[in-house]
Amino acid sequence: DVKVTQSSRYLVKRTGEKVFLECVQDMDHENMFWYRQDPGLGLRLIYFSYDVKMKEKGDIPEGYSVSREKKERFSLILESASTNQTSMYLCASSLDQGSSYEQYFGPGTRLTVT
Amino acid sequence: GQNIDQPTEMTATEGAIVQINCTYQTSGFNGLFWYQQHAGEAPTFLSYNVLDGLEEKGRFSSFLSRSKGYSYLLLKELQMKDSASYLCAVKDSNYQLIWGAGTKLIIKP
Repeated sequence: DVKVTQSSRYLVKRTGEKVFLECVQDMDHENMFWYRQDPGLGLRLIYFSYDVKMKEKGDIPEGYSVSREKKERFSLILESASTNQTSMYLCASSLDQGSSYEQYFGPGTRLTVT
Repeated sequence: GQNIDQPTEMTATEGAIVQINCTYQTSGFNGLFWYQQHAGEAPTFLSYNVLDGLEEKGRFSSFLSRSKGYSYLLLKELQMKDSASYLCAVKDSNYQLIWGAGTKLIIKP
């Protein structure tokens, strides 16, 4: 079974802090993704990566950056946390970008910025 | 713009059948996915459709009509554990997933 793990289930940070969210997958997947999920909205793509050291902006990259130094690990960084970044953050991975390949999700990190 | 529409919430009775609809308007189409998400948990993959027609997988079936931009997820013999949100997502021409907001399904005894 594919396993995607995230460093924290719950996180509380103060406005202006730098925040690191880590994601690790154990199935040698090429692609990794960071989403945020807010009530009443679909998952929104922040960044994705299709190879080590490669990254692509998603729909809402502002205020975020990412790092992928190893194939299995994809980190999301909030440079200076703001209250509007309070959300559920979901990491996902998939074997390939091809049509039929589903994404496997981690358990999520619920981030609260006060 | 790209858009996926699904009902916000549905209620059904244990043992019954429920159909959750999804309509989409996307730039290109490379398949449609259904995911299940229990409260506080990660989404998990349920089904994938790329050709028109019905795909059956146990108690769950998924239908696709590409010409109508329409899909549904059919859940039979509902169980209390089926209470969850059901997410519809379409892969667009860039192979990126466009997600609906999800349908919260409430099962009553």
